[in-house]
Amino acid sequence: DGGITQSPKYLFRKEGQNVTLSCEQNLNHDAMYWYRQDPGQGLRLIYYSQIVNDFQKGDIAEGYSVSREKKESFPLTVTSAQKNPTAFYLCASSRGRTGELFFGEGSRLTVL
Amino acid sequence: GENVEQHPSTLSVQEGDSAVIKCTYSDSASNYFPWYKQELGKRPQLIIDIRSNVGEKKDQRIAVTLNKTAKHFSLHITETQPEDSAVYFCAAFRGGGSQGNLIFGKGTKLSVKP
Repeated sequence: DGGITQSPKYLFRKEGQNVTLSCEQNLNHDAMYWYRQDPGQGLRLIYYSQIVNDFQKGDIAEGYSVSREKKESFPLTVTSAQKNPTAFYLCASSRGRTGELFFGEGSRLTVL
Repeated sequence: GENVEQHPSTLSVQEGDSAVIKCTYSDSASNYFPWYKQELGKRPQLIIDIRSNVGEKKDQRIAVTLNKTAKHFSLHITETQPEDSAVYFCAAFRGGGSQGNLIFGKGTKLSVKP
């Protein structure tokens, strides 16, 4: 069954800790993205990658890091430098830059 | 850079009525405009999109119109049904060679009352 899998679905973190969110796709898409969703704020782009071993900062990259070592995987690390990390995080992939985005089910991070 | 404004932020209609959501964009070079629907607790899904060489596109009860001169595009839903209740996001593809990406509006929460 093709699609995007995000894990974990819920995550709790103490202040000062880094946490990594997993995103895996089996759609053979070149492009992958991480968005942050806050109430009333829409979807804001954190990082995106159009090819393996290459990624670009989005509009709100500060306090986040990513890697793209494999085509199917695009993990996001929320570092302790992110001042307000509590949010809903969505991973997506697309065949091309203007193709349909396929989203994962999201990961909800809560910082205690 | 590109900025996408979406209105209204909330919209309540009676079942069977039409609903219209409007978006404006700032970058005249934007050339791709998708609409995503996010039902409560679910992932966003593409419902319709339009490219800058087309003025209107329809798919059953939904349609999107694009006015490039005024830099705005709209989603029209006719004969609304309770299952249309969701948050709708518009987006514009911001160009820039190999660095282009989608910029989303802040969303419209549509409630369809039976």
